[in-house]
Amino acid sequence: AQKVTQAQTEISVVEKEDVTLDCVYETRDTTYYLFWYKQPPSGELVFLIRRNSFDEQNEISGRYSWNFQKSTSSFNFTITASQVVDSAVYFCALVTDSWGKLQFGAGTQVVVTP
Amino acid sequence: DSGVTQTPKHLITATGQRVTLRCSPRSGDLSVYWYQQSLDQGLQFLIQYYNGEERAKGNILERFSAQQFPDLHSELNLSSLELGDSALYFCASSVGAGEPDTQYFGPGTRLTVL
Repeated sequence: AQKVTQAQTEISVVEKEDVTLDCVYETRDTTYYLFWYKQPPSGELVFLIRRNSFDEQNEISGRYSWNFQKSTSSFNFTITASQVVDSAVYFCALVTDSWGKLQFGAGTQVVVTP
Repeated sequence: DSGVTQTPKHLITATGQRVTLRCSPRSGDLSVYWYQQSLDQGLQFLIQYYNGEERAKGNILERFSAQQFPDLHSELNLSSLELGDSALYFCASSVGAGEPDTQYFGPGTRLTVL
């Protein structure tokens, strides 16, 4: 069975601190896709990154970076020098079927205070 | 703005009623997905359509149904509504060809059943 675990329910940081969100996934498939989405207080879901199982390169996009480790089935997300605008719920998701059905983790609420 | 539109933004109705949620995908996208976000269940996949045909089904109740029309917009019909159906309903779209690609989400419809 496929599963995504985001064990951190809420993380509170002060602005400019770094914050790392953990995502652990379970699947027996050798081909799969991992995603991160952001849900700000306004409620919409914003796409952040897509990674397939054959691409273990870490990625950096501005203050965001992702660490994909197949050996530990983890796809962690780090926000460097956090800002108040980073306050949101962040979801990790897994796709294992050809039609792209997203299986989401429970989400991690990030609260950044000035 | 993801390019996916959903109407209405908010919907308040009574138990036992029927409602229709509408979604227009991004230009060029052939796949439409419906997800439900509730406090107790989190984000759950309901159903997917590709170019007018149903392709995948998730935890969708029998009281719920959906369709995708020739112009590619989709409607999610919820009937015999119960209090527990109160949730945020998201539509997402993707190109839908080949390997699973990124799903872009609409702003959601918040359904409140009283």
